[in-house]
Amino acid sequence: AQKITQTQPGMFVQEKEAVTLDCTYDTSDPSYGLFWYKQPSSGEMIFLIYQGSYDQQNATEGRYSLNFQKARKSANLVISASQLGDSAMYFCAMRATGNQFYFGTGTSLTVIP
Amino acid sequence: DAEITQSPRHKITETGRQVTLACHQTWNHNNMFWYRQDLGHGLRLIHYSYGVQDTNKGEVSDGYSVSRSNTEDLPLTLESAASSQTSVYFCASSEASGLRETQYFGPGTRLLVL
Repeated sequence: AQKITQTQPGMFVQEKEAVTLDCTYDTSDPSYGLFWYKQPSSGEMIFLIYQGSYDQQNATEGRYSLNFQKARKSANLVISASQLGDSAMYFCAMRATGNQFYFGTGTSLTVIP
Repeated sequence: DAEITQSPRHKITETGRQVTLACHQTWNHNNMFWYRQDLGHGLRLIHYSYGVQDTNKGEVSDGYSVSRSNTEDLPLTLESAASSQTSVYFCASSEASGLRETQYFGPGTRLLVL
């Protein structure tokens, strides 16, 4: 069975500091994709970053990077130089064979000025 | 620009009524999905479709139905609304091929069942 676990219901970070949001996953599929989405208070879901299971390097997109540890089945999101606008819910998701997406329960990030 | 829209954005209904939430995408994606979002549960899959005339049940499909008569639309019907179906509903679509392809989400529909 496919499963995504986010163990941090809420996180706080000081503005301009880096923060890591945890995500672990469980799948028996050899090929899978891992995604992070941001949901600000306005409610829309915004795609942030993608990591493929066979990608050799960790994904980066601007201030977002993904710390992918395949053996530990973890795909943590690192946000560098936090900004007030980063305050939001963050969801980790996995896409495996079958085209379905599996989501974690989310982490609420609050950036403190 | 391609987009995915949902209507209505807000809906109040009464227990026992039938409700239909619309989802329309112009990405020409074969895959479409309906999720509900509740505090502490993240996004849970209700129904999904991989193409015209194809529909499949997700994790929380009881009390919901969908139909896919064309590529662009996947309406979600609550057959007899219950208070437990008060939630925020998201429609999403994605390319059929490639694990790299993300889902694109609609803006959501807030449903209140009284």
